[in-house]
Amino acid sequence: GAVVSQHPSRVICKSGTSVKIECRSLDFQATTMFWYRQFPKQSLMLMATSNEGSKATYEQGVEKDKFLINHASLTLSTLTVTSAHPEDSSFYICSARDPGPTSYEQYFGPGTRLTVT
Amino acid sequence: GNSVTQMEGPVTLSEEAFLTINCTYTATGYPSLFWYVQYPGEGLQLLLKATKADDKGSNKGFEATYRKETTSFHLEKGSVQVSDSAVYFCALVYYGNNRLAFGKGNQVVVIP
Repeated sequence: GAVVSQHPSRVICKSGTSVKIECRSLDFQATTMFWYRQFPKQSLMLMATSNEGSKATYEQGVEKDKFLINHASLTLSTLTVTSAHPEDSSFYICSARDPGPTSYEQYFGPGTRLTVT
Repeated sequence: GNSVTQMEGPVTLSEEAFLTINCTYTATGYPSLFWYVQYPGEGLQLLLKATKADDKGSNKGFEATYRKETTSFHLEKGSVQVSDSAVYFCALVYYGNNRLAFGKGNQVVVIP
C-alpha cells in the first residue's frame, strides 16, 4: 500500500513554455501533499505544501506565480512550471502524507526530471 | 528550528563491510526520525523509522536507534552489498508540523 506515482517521469521542454507534473496517491487519500526540488548531489528542498481544496503554502523564496500548485482532489496534486527557463531544470519530487491521524510519515513519488532547453 | 546533520562526504566501502552513517538532530520536543534511501534516478523510499526515544527501526539489515540523550539516529548495517549503493537521507518530522527536515544525504558506494 501507500503508493505515490508521478507523471511524466521525464520531460524536456523549450524555454518559455509551461510544463505540468502530476502527483497521484494510488491507494489512499491524501489531504496533504508536498512538492520538493532536488539539485544534483544535493538534498531535497521543500517548495510548497499542497492541501486539498485550499491554496498551497509556499516556502520562502519560491515563486508561487511560477510554480502553480493545484490539489483538486484527494488523490491528485499538480505542479505547473510556468514560462520555464533553463535554471528550472531539476528533479521534482512529490510526496503524500500518511492519512492516519497520528502518523507523519510521507510517501514519495519516483520523481520527474525536467530539462528546459 | 528543527534540523538534521549528516556526516560529510561520500562513503565508499567494500562488499560485506560494516556501514555506519552518522545523523544528529536538533529539535524542540520529540520528533519522529526517519532514514530514506534514494537509488539512482529514483524518488525516495522509506528505509526505517523510529517515533520515540530508544525505539530501534530496522529493515533490510539496516538498523538505527533513536537516542534522545545524544540526539542521534545513526544508521548501521553489518554487511553491505553492492545493491546497497545509493544515497541515504536522515530526516525528522515534528508533531504539529508536517514538514520533513532532511539532512544533506550521504552517497554510499559499495564495491565488489
